[in-house]
Amino acid sequence: KAGVTQTPRYLIKTRGQQVTLSCSPISGHRSVSWYQQTPGQGLQFLFEYFSETQRNKGNFPGRFSGRQFSNSRSEMNVSTLELGDSALYLCASSLEAGGWETQYFGPGTRLLVL
Amino acid sequence: ELKVEQNPLFLSMQEGKNYTIYCNYSTTSDRLYWYRQDPGKSLESLFVLLSNGAVKQEGRLMASLDTKARLSTLHITAAVHDLSATYFCAVDIKGGSEKLVFGKGTKLTVNP
Repeated sequence: KAGVTQTPRYLIKTRGQQVTLSCSPISGHRSVSWYQQTPGQGLQFLFEYFSETQRNKGNFPGRFSGRQFSNSRSEMNVSTLELGDSALYLCASSLEAGGWETQYFGPGTRLLVL
Repeated sequence: ELKVEQNPLFLSMQEGKNYTIYCNYSTTSDRLYWYRQDPGKSLESLFVLLSNGAVKQEGRLMASLDTKARLSTLHITAAVHDLSATYFCAVDIKGGSEKLVFGKGTKLTVNP
């Protein structure tokens, strides 16, 4: 079974631009979560989607948004990029949401904001 | 607010030695994960600990959970170079606002 895939793997943007990242979960998984990893803050939860609905949201500004499609694929968008948004963005999928399912992580998208 | 603290944050050890990484968390939870991350790579699930007293072992790694003490340990036995990586613990609170709350990670370096 294929794992979680994320595209693109690397991205360079400039301040003020916006970016969209994509995540395809493991086949059959319906929950997708997004995390930001930086050297300073570590791994931080962004949001979780299940059945095209956002279930949980971490403590991030409104510039960070996401959505999930009917095939469970998810996208996250960051508008008006700031230097501090440079990070590794990880997507994780699990079978269900609300329960305690193990999450499987994708390879991540490394975003550099100049 | 759930806090997860790992220590040590950096660990340099020699091959063949034993050591333990500690993970403390601040709120009641019955599910704790350990992940491994190699440089530039994603997170690999190592263990899922479901209940008080749970112990899981895989090769040279053994994880345990004490929910009363809100403490999990990851014990390394007879370390080898291939174990060099960053190890994260993460806590899941059912119904909480965050899916997983991670510790800062322990960067383990095993020297020949």
